[in-house]
Amino acid sequence: KAGVTQTPRYLIKTRGQQVTLSCSPISGHRSVSWYQQTPGQGLQFLFEYFSETQRNKGNFPGRFSGRQFSNSRSEMNVSTLELGDSALYLCASSGVGTSGLMGETQYFGPGTRLLVL
Amino acid sequence: AQSVTQLGSHVSVSEGALVLLRCNYSSSVPPYLFWYVQYPNQGLQLLLKYTTGATLVKGINGFEAEFKKSETSFHLTKPSAHMSDAAEYFCAVTYNQGGKLIFGQGTELSVKP
Repeated sequence: KAGVTQTPRYLIKTRGQQVTLSCSPISGHRSVSWYQQTPGQGLQFLFEYFSETQRNKGNFPGRFSGRQFSNSRSEMNVSTLELGDSALYLCASSGVGTSGLMGETQYFGPGTRLLVL
Repeated sequence: AQSVTQLGSHVSVSEGALVLLRCNYSSSVPPYLFWYVQYPNQGLQLLLKYTTGATLVKGINGFEAEFKKSETSFHLTKPSAHMSDAAEYFCAVTYNQGGKLIFGQGTELSVKP
């Protein structure tokens, strides 16, 4: 099985624009979570989707939104970008990993690095 | 609120020395505990996890961690550091498998030759 994939890997936007990031989970995983990583705030949970429904949500403003499709692929959208949105955005899918060694847990993709100018 | 504290934002060891990275969590309910490693410009790779059962957990790359409920700790150790272990390490907790992970602030491990 392939791992979690995220596109694009790097992105540069300007303030006020919007951006959409994509995540494809490990085959068979139905849950996808998103995290924001910044030097100041560390790793923070954004939201989790399971079977196309948002199951859990972190403390981020409404500018941050997401969705999940019937094939479990997920997108997150950030509208009206601010400088502080510059971060590494990580997607994780939950289930048994590709090797099967760790059992059911969250597996992370390589992330999308967003720079807002 | 649940939280995770990693003592020491930077730890430096010599190659071949013991690695000890500290993690404490706050919870009245036994959580699921994880250690992840992050190499520069990469995502998080799972090293090991504790769910139930044996409190000494062995992970990949020679790492292990011991869950001590009385101390609310889950420290990560490796008997002999290798240069390739230089990375950032994150301790995380969740209260349902596959659910929201709460991360510590991370510990950057440097390995000196």
